[in-house]
Amino acid sequence: RKEVEQDPGPFNVPEGATVAFNCTYSNSASQSFFWYRQDCRKEPKLLMSVYSSGNEDGRFTAQLNRASQYISLLIRDSKLSDSATYLCVALEAAGNKLTFGGGTRVLVKP
Amino acid sequence: DVKVTQSSRYLVKRTGEKVFLECVQDMDHENMFWYRQDPGLGLRLIYFSYDVKMKEKGDIPEGYSVSREKKERFSLILESASTNQTSMYLCASNLVVSYGYTFGSGTRLTVV
Repeated sequence: RKEVEQDPGPFNVPEGATVAFNCTYSNSASQSFFWYRQDCRKEPKLLMSVYSSGNEDGRFTAQLNRASQYISLLIRDSKLSDSATYLCVALEAAGNKLTFGGGTRVLVKP
Repeated sequence: DVKVTQSSRYLVKRTGEKVFLECVQDMDHENMFWYRQDPGLGLRLIYFSYDVKMKEKGDIPEGYSVSREKKERFSLILESASTNQTSMYLCASNLVVSYGYTFGSGTRLTVV
C-alpha cells in the first residue's frame, strides 16, 4: 500500500463549480501535510500547508482528519487556470522527508 | 523568493555515459533533495542532504550518487546511464521541512 494515496482523476469540473477531493495517508505519525500544484511539464509549487484546524486561502480550503487519516482540498468557484495536478504531501514524524501522493488531475472546462 | 536552478531543462544522453545533473539554490538552505518523477509512480526520493559533504539515501538510490561540496550546490550523478533512468528529475531545497520544499524547474533526461 502506498504511504500517500490519491484518486488520479481526472476530475472534470465546469467553470464556476466547486470540486473537492481527498488524499489518504497510512502513517499515523505523519506530522504535517501540504498541497502542491503541478502544471503540465512544470515543477510542483506549494499551494498551501494543512493545519489541524483546517485552513482557507481564498477559494481553496484544506482540511485534515487525523482520526480517518485523510486530508482534503476544496476549490470553490473553479477557474480555467485551476486546471492542474494537485499533489498531496505528508511529512514523516521521523526525519525531514516529504512523501508525495501520485496526484489528482483537475480539468476545469468552460 | 527562493530560487532553485537546475542547469539543464532537457538532456539526451547515451547508455553507459556518466551524467551530471546540477542544482543550485540561492537562499542558504541547509536541506537539498533529488527526486525523479514518472507517470503512474509519482515523485520518488533518490538522495538528500542536510549539510555540506553529507548525504543520505532516499527510496531509490540505486544507480545514482550525489555530491555536495558547497552548501548551495547539490549534484546528482548517474554513473552509467541506462534507459530506465529516462525521467524527469527535480531538485528541491528548504530551510525547515515544515515549510515545504521549493523545487527547481526540472531536467527531463532521455537516455537512448
